[in-house]
Amino acid sequence: DAGVIQSPRHEVTEMGQEVTLRCKPISGHNSLFWYRQTMMRGLELLIYFNNNVPIDDSGMPEDRFSAKMPNASFSTLKIQPSEPRDSAVYFCASSGPGTSGRGEQFFGPGTRLTVL
Amino acid sequence: AQSVTQLDSHVSVSEGTPVLLRCNYSSSYSPSLFWYVQHPNKGLQLLLKYTSAATLVKGINGFEAEFKKSETSFHLTKPSAHMSDAAEYFCVVISNAGKSTFGDGTTLTVKP
Repeated sequence: DAGVIQSPRHEVTEMGQEVTLRCKPISGHNSLFWYRQTMMRGLELLIYFNNNVPIDDSGMPEDRFSAKMPNASFSTLKIQPSEPRDSAVYFCASSGPGTSGRGEQFFGPGTRLTVL
Repeated sequence: AQSVTQLDSHVSVSEGTPVLLRCNYSSSYSPSLFWYVQHPNKGLQLLLKYTSAATLVKGINGFEAEFKKSETSFHLTKPSAHMSDAAEYFCVVISNAGKSTFGDGTTLTVKP
């Protein structure tokens, strides 16, 4: 199994540009999570999906952030417009069926975003 | 509401000595509890998990943790530290609804 796949691994962009981060969960997993990690704030849960439906997006910082999961094998996190304070490592994680999101989460390698 | 407090932001031990990383949690319901490890510039890897079965949980690489409901604690231990254990460790609580909350992390340094 390839594990959770995230792309790109690194992204450098200028303030005001749109950024799209992509995630492919482990095949068969039905819960997907987006996290942001910074030195100042640690690891924060942004949003999670169960069976492609957003369950809790209370961690999404503001309207500039949006996430979608059009099917069981793909999710995107979009930031529009991006700001320097969005610079962070963004992790995607997935967990298996029958756990309702309470089981072990398998993390992707992360996308390191730098907004200049 | 739920929360996780990792009581030490940094722990330093000598190789071959015991490791103790402390975690306290609060949760309205019976939570699922996890410890994850993150090596520099890497993703997170599960060490162990507690999901209301045995209170003493054994994980990978010789780590174990004990769930103590009366103390709302889930401390991580290892009898003998190895250099490769140097990393950041996160205690995580997941609610019945599936919402995860991470602690701030504890950086473990292992001295030769």
